[in-house]
Amino acid sequence: GEDVEQSLFLSVREGDSSVINCTYTDSSSTYLYWYKQEPGAGLQLLTYIFSNMDMKQDQRLTVLLNKKDKHLSLRIADTQTGDSAIYFCAEGANAGKSTFGDGTTLTVKP
Amino acid sequence: NAGVTQTPKFRVLKTGQSMTLLCAQDMNHEYMYWYRQDPGMGLRLIHYSVGEGTTAKGEVPDGYNVSRLKKQNFLLGLESAAPSQTSVYFCASSPPRLYGYTFGSGTRLTVV
Repeated sequence: GEDVEQSLFLSVREGDSSVINCTYTDSSSTYLYWYKQEPGAGLQLLTYIFSNMDMKQDQRLTVLLNKKDKHLSLRIADTQTGDSAIYFCAEGANAGKSTFGDGTTLTVKP
Repeated sequence: NAGVTQTPKFRVLKTGQSMTLLCAQDMNHEYMYWYRQDPGMGLRLIHYSVGEGTTAKGEVPDGYNVSRLKKQNFLLGLESAAPSQTSVYFCASSPPRLYGYTFGSGTRLTVV
């Protein structure tokens, strides 16, 4: 079945860029998503990219998609302490169902 | 707009008890989902619905039942709670196009 993998932890200094990586296995994935989860809260959709795109930029967020390698990344520019959270990569293709990675915990140090 | 509302937010059950988790959305979304989140295991799909009156099994459906009698509501039932069902449960909804989910804030369930 579908699988989505991402590294579990990332620690950066405030003001640096953060890059969170994700790989997926389902070649029929139509959309790929990044969600953010803050402590005690539900997941919030940050951005998504359609599978025929290579890049999408939205303010401090840049999503890169390498469809050949099934690799997705999320870059956060000028990372702030408020960006500390768990970031989930997800893919969607079939009947709206999404498969989620286990999440990457981003810690931003002042 | 409230988005997706889950009730209750917290619950403690004894083994063998039953309960129903309610999810309500006010965005007129066709699709609704129930996920559980466990440490180190990400989100796993329990059941989902692609429209009023329809439901389907996800990755981990055993021990749960669902109903979607109204488009805006999706109920998750635990027939006989077990400690392995201790988890945080998230409901989500989406339109048919794959533009991502809107999540509720979760229900933290402990089964003792």
